[in-house]
Amino acid sequence: GNSVTQMEGPVTLSEEAFLTINCTYTATGYPSLFWYVQYPGEGLQLLLKATKADDKGSNKGFEATYRKETTSFHLEKGSVQVSDSAVYFCALKAAGNKLTFGGGTRVLVKP
Amino acid sequence: GAGVSQSPSNKVTEKGKDVELRCDPISGHTALYWYRQSLGQGLEFLIYFQGNSAPDKSGLPSDRFSAERTGGSVSTLTIQRTQQEDSAVYLCASSLVMSGKNYEQYFGPGTRLTVT
Repeated sequence: GNSVTQMEGPVTLSEEAFLTINCTYTATGYPSLFWYVQYPGEGLQLLLKATKADDKGSNKGFEATYRKETTSFHLEKGSVQVSDSAVYFCALKAAGNKLTFGGGTRVLVKP
Repeated sequence: GAGVSQSPSNKVTEKGKDVELRCDPISGHTALYWYRQSLGQGLEFLIYFQGNSAPDKSGLPSDRFSAERTGGSVSTLTIQRTQQEDSAVYLCASSLVMSGKNYEQYFGPGTRLTVT
């Protein structure tokens, strides 16, 4: 079946540091890939997505590139802010429309 | 416009009781999804509706769980004879479907269920 593996947190960073959250997946066919973010006390929000190999999704300074050869979709941001503190979920959608999520990575950015 | 809404926001129930959780999707979204977020299992898919029918119920964990959708809009997730392991945040999402393609899923704030 389909699965998503992402690095466990928590990840603690100082403001303006570089953030990388690793995500790898197993899926049949050619899934779409997503990063969702859950800010404290809020619901899940789509952060970015990519629908085919070599696509780069980007939003709010975050980027992730769909790498079919390594089945990865790592999330990066060059300079994090305190407001980026949240839980980040990598997810895929293959045939059938349902999302399969990774376990989530909690990120804490300290001033 | 209004997002996905869910009620109640919190529900505390005694083991063995039945509970009903409600989801109001975004107007015009014909696809509706239920997920569960728990400490031990992470975020899991439960069931998917297209209109009033459920072509994918593969994530429902037991026959104590059921869901329905009426009028292509509101959906109710029912858990019968609740158990402590049912404690979780139940999330609803909806998405637009056009030309057979499902677009981005928008999530509601969730219902936190605690079974005592």
